[in-house]
Amino acid sequence: EVQLVESGGGLVQPGGSLRLSCEASGFTFSDYGMNWVRQAPGKGLEWVSHISSSSSSTYYADSVKGRFTISRDNARNSLYLQMNSLRAEDTAVFYCVTSFVPSGTSGTTLWGQGTLVTVSS
Amino acid sequence: EIVLTQSPATLSVSPGERATLSCRVSQTVSNSLAWYQQKPGQAPRLLIYNAFARATGIPARISGSGSGTEFSLTISSLQTEDFAVYYCQQYSNWPRTFGQGTKVEIK
Repeated sequence: EVQLVESGGGLVQPGGSLRLSCEASGFTFSDYGMNWVRQAPGKGLEWVSHISSSSSSTYYADSVKGRFTISRDNARNSLYLQMNSLRAEDTAVFYCVTSFVPSGTSGTTLWGQGTLVTVSS
Repeated sequence: EIVLTQSPATLSVSPGERATLSCRVSQTVSNSLAWYQQKPGQAPRLLIYNAFARATGIPARISGSGSGTEFSLTISSLQTEDFAVYYCQQYSNWPRTFGQGTKVEIK
């Protein structure tokens, strides 16, 4: 079964740090770029970061640049997001998302179930 | 960064009717545009990529059109499972960006 499972969310104080993880299964993780997308409570989707399949390229939203670091371990089929200097406005559900995965003449993107990060004192 | 503006914010439609959602982009993205559907408590699901290609398992009543800076998502005959929030996303430039969403509700 194709699956992405996030973990590591929780309650953290402003200025604190948290590391999110995403474990992939059921597909060849090392073939695909990966993303983090977040959604604040009751709000829309915000793309956060991307890492290429080989980790050679990374990109960040301006809102997290310099505070968040994306990484991956293809041997462990895992994606990570190190989040430092957290702010209240970082409170959101964080989703792990593949880049486009072809399947026959079509394809899709794969999403995890999300992990909630709450930044509050 | 590229800004995506979706309209309307809310669309009230009766089951069986046609719904057309709009996504306007602040600069050309060629056809590098996707549409997602999100239901409460669920992760988004890809509907359309490359502006008009249906993702795996998406029914033919859902279609995408447009290029450059003006895009549309059309649901030809709304089913109860289509009532949800829809987002457009560009993947032409970094940072990737989403529109603010259109909620399709039952009239």
